[in-house]
Amino acid sequence: GENVEQHPSTLSVQEGDSAVIKCTYSDSASNYFPWYKQELGKGPQLIIDIRSNVGEKKDQRIAVTLNKTAKHFSLHITETQPEDSAVYFCAASLLGNAGKSTFGDGTTLTVKP
Amino acid sequence: NAGVTQTPKFQVLKTGQSMTLQCAQDMNHNSMYWYRQDPGMGLRLIYYSASEGTTDKGEVPNGYNVSRLNKREFSLRLESAAPSQTSVYFCASSGIASGVGEQFFGPGTRLTVL
Repeated sequence: GENVEQHPSTLSVQEGDSAVIKCTYSDSASNYFPWYKQELGKGPQLIIDIRSNVGEKKDQRIAVTLNKTAKHFSLHITETQPEDSAVYFCAASLLGNAGKSTFGDGTTLTVKP
Repeated sequence: NAGVTQTPKFQVLKTGQSMTLQCAQDMNHNSMYWYRQDPGMGLRLIYYSASEGTTDKGEVPNGYNVSRLNKREFSLRLESAAPSQTSVYFCASSGIASGVGEQFFGPGTRLTVL
């Protein structure tokens, strides 16, 4: 089955700096890669996603890049703010198959004011 | 729209007791999921229902059963709770027919088994 590795497990940055979280996946059939943000005491919420036919996607301060050949994708957050502090999860999925969605173990991001 | 709702929010059980976690969504989604979240281990899929009337095992189904009661509701049952089932349980739903796109998560149920 699919295996997703996420690094780092914890990340601390100063407000205004950039943060990068990386994930690798094993199944070359995976074609949908979402990123979720989980605030304390809440369920995860999608912040950005990318499909395998796209190499990069950006939404304001957040961007995701995908390298299909190397089977890795990354989340980039620029100009970090204290409210970006949360746990971030990547996932690798196969569109059209509800059971094929594997999550990474999460990254705890702390943005220091 | 309430999105995905879960009840209860918190529960403490003794070993061997049974309980049912309830989940409902009001987004007319076809697919629904149950995950458990343990510290440092991300989200692991317990069971899922690709569409009304179908259910399938995920990565960690042992000790659990599910029922897709109708399109809106998907329940998770622990027949004989064990301490290893202490976890946070999340229900989710997605709207792409028989597939996984964006998943919408509920607020979670925090379960402790003594």
